[in-house]
Amino acid sequence: EAGVAQSPRYKIIEKRQSVAFWCNPISGHATLYWYQQILGQGPKLLIQFQNNGVVDDSQLPKDRFSAERLKGVDSTLKIQPAKLEDSAVYLCASSLAFRTRGGYNEQFFGPGTRLTVL
Amino acid sequence: AQSVTQLDSHVSVSEGTPVLLRCNYSSSYSPSLFWYVQHPNKGLQLLLKYTSAATLVKGINGFEAEFKKSETSFHLTKPSAHMSDAAEYFCVVRGSSNTGKLIFGQGTTLQVKP
Repeated sequence: EAGVAQSPRYKIIEKRQSVAFWCNPISGHATLYWYQQILGQGPKLLIQFQNNGVVDDSQLPKDRFSAERLKGVDSTLKIQPAKLEDSAVYLCASSLAFRTRGGYNEQFFGPGTRLTVL
Repeated sequence: AQSVTQLDSHVSVSEGTPVLLRCNYSSSYSPSLFWYVQHPNKGLQLLLKYTSAATLVKGINGFEAEFKKSETSFHLTKPSAHMSDAAEYFCVVRGSSNTGKLIFGQGTTLQVKP
């Protein structure tokens, strides 16, 4: 079974530029998550989708970050304009659904995109 | 609100010796707790999870963790470290919202010396 795919794996930009990351979840997974992992810290959830609807975006800096999942499959995360403090690894994860009768489903993580903002 | 604190940012052991990675949690109700491992340039992988069944949880690669409510701890252990265990380890608690949000600790880097 193919895992969660992300691209690009690395990106270097200058501050005030724009950048976009792409994620393709595991086939059949309805829930998709974007996390930000700053160096030396644990991942922090930015946004969670259930199919193409947003479930939680409470920690997404909406003045500069946006995300979409138009067809309920793959997703893009955009930063515009980037700041120095956005340098981090951006992780995408997916799960069958965030909750079923048996409880919450396991999240499977992609390898991440490492963003460096100069 | 739920949170986890990993008590060591860096742990160094020799190959073949026991591993102990410490985690304390804070939760207003019975928590769901996890340990994830992150190898360089690879995705996070679930090691084990506690969801209010047995307090001693066995995971992959010989790791296990014990849920101790009286101590609000969920420490990760392994009897004998392998070189391949060198990685970043995260203690995680599920948040209180009905979205199943995961809240990660700061991480512990495990170094295994030959």
